Amino acid sequence: SYVLTQPPSVSVAPGKTARITCGGNNIGSKSVHWYQQKPGQAPVLVIYYDSDRPSGIPERFSGSNSGNTATLTISRVEAGDEADYYCQVWDSSSDHPEVFGGGTKLTVL
Amino acid sequence: QVQLVESGGGLVKPGGSLRLSCAASGFTFSDYYMSWIRQAPGKGLEWVSYISSSGSTIYYADSVKGRFTISRDNAKNSLYLQMNSLRAEDTAVYYCASLDSSGYYHPYWGQGTLVTVSS
Repeated sequence: SYVLTQPPSVSVAPGKTARITCGGNNIGSKSVHWYQQKPGQAPVLVIYYDSDRPSGIPERFSGSNSGNTATLTISRVEAGDEADYYCQVWDSSSDHPEVFGGGTKLTVL
Repeated sequence: QVQLVESGGGLVKPGGSLRLSCAASGFTFSDYYMSWIRQAPGKGLEWVSYISSSGSTIYYADSVKGRFTISRDNAKNSLYLQMNSLRAEDTAVYYCASLDSSGYYHPYWGQGTLVTVSS
């Protein structure tokens, strides 16, 4: 089945830009979705269709997807952005269609 | 507003059974595909099962296939997960989540219910 690979951790100083990657075979041909999860809370959708933002998600959150890597970019990082981030795709060719990446812990220094 | 509320979690012995429920409100439940997703303590998200809006198409992760059964009652706006032959490795918070039918992403999640499998 399809595999998504994320770095376990990313650290960034406040006000800087964080980039969280999600690797997969030809992931650029799939739609990638991103979720933010803070401790003790359910995940929240922050990016869908590679780069669309749900209402209520700050413009600081953006996404891109090409080749074998999708990227979640958080600009002007704030302390409140510290969380785990997960990428997700739907592999319609599989009978195990839903796949999550292993998650990335974003630490704001 | 959209609400998904899970219930039915708890402590169960290995080999035992539990039935999780997810009550939906604030949207037309019968129009939406649904998934169960779990998260073991300190671990990442793991997809468990999917059911189409009518219930005609169902998928399971290999880790639960043959032991778990997903179902839904559109008249009651409810999603279920029957879990049998539970193992220690099934210990997790279980989330129900609606699935956008065009993009297959999860705009809405429940708060989760904790299942602990231990003797």
